[in-house]
Amino acid sequence: DQQVKQNSPSLSVQEGRISILNCDYTNSMFDYFLWYKKYPAEGPTFLISISSIKDKNEDGRFTVFLNKSAKHLSLHIVPSQPGDSAVYFCAASETDNFNKFYFGSGTKLNVKP
Amino acid sequence: NAGVTQTPKFQVLKTGQSMTLQCAQDMNHEYMSWYRQDPGMGLRLIHYSVGAGITDQGEVPNGYNVSRSTTEDFPLRLLSAAPSQTSVYFCASKAGGPDTQYFGPGTRLTVL
Repeated sequence: DQQVKQNSPSLSVQEGRISILNCDYTNSMFDYFLWYKKYPAEGPTFLISISSIKDKNEDGRFTVFLNKSAKHLSLHIVPSQPGDSAVYFCAASETDNFNKFYFGSGTKLNVKP
Repeated sequence: NAGVTQTPKFQVLKTGQSMTLQCAQDMNHEYMSWYRQDPGMGLRLIHYSVGAGITDQGEVPNGYNVSRSTTEDFPLRLLSAAPSQTSVYFCASKAGGPDTQYFGPGTRLTVL
């Protein structure tokens, strides 16, 4: 059974508005979380991460929120731009073992001009 | 600086055939790994290596072999391909911390 889940396969947002991508996890040992962005025919690229000692991390237009009690994290993109259209993967790991990463199934974001 | 390179980009095999997917990195990263991406499943870790001569299993290792004789290369071997191994395969490497993982462009494999 998947330990990291992204229940929305796709999301469509108007340019300039906020995009919110969600991710849930089941393994309580996970304490480090990452978001990757993937364009077609390319490998995923690292976007932003958060450790479980924080509940928020910002990097420019991208903010990740972590709710440990709910085992839920979300990625906010504000404002959304057409170039943000891609598949976004959530991933989780344990701080004691950065050799194994568990990925969600991805959410395809379409930002309409 | 090419980063992580994978060959071939595309491959079609018949059931029972063997092949090796190549992965190389020029960043002197100790850690390398292989993932497969399937629709609705995300990326799943097949095998990983923390240095030359050291390999370990990930989530879905069955049907795949790896070895790591040099820091630069981490080939993935399918000894007897099965249709269930039809997937897109990604190789990745990282220097140390989790945020430094770089992925190759992928190999799309079809097993008939």
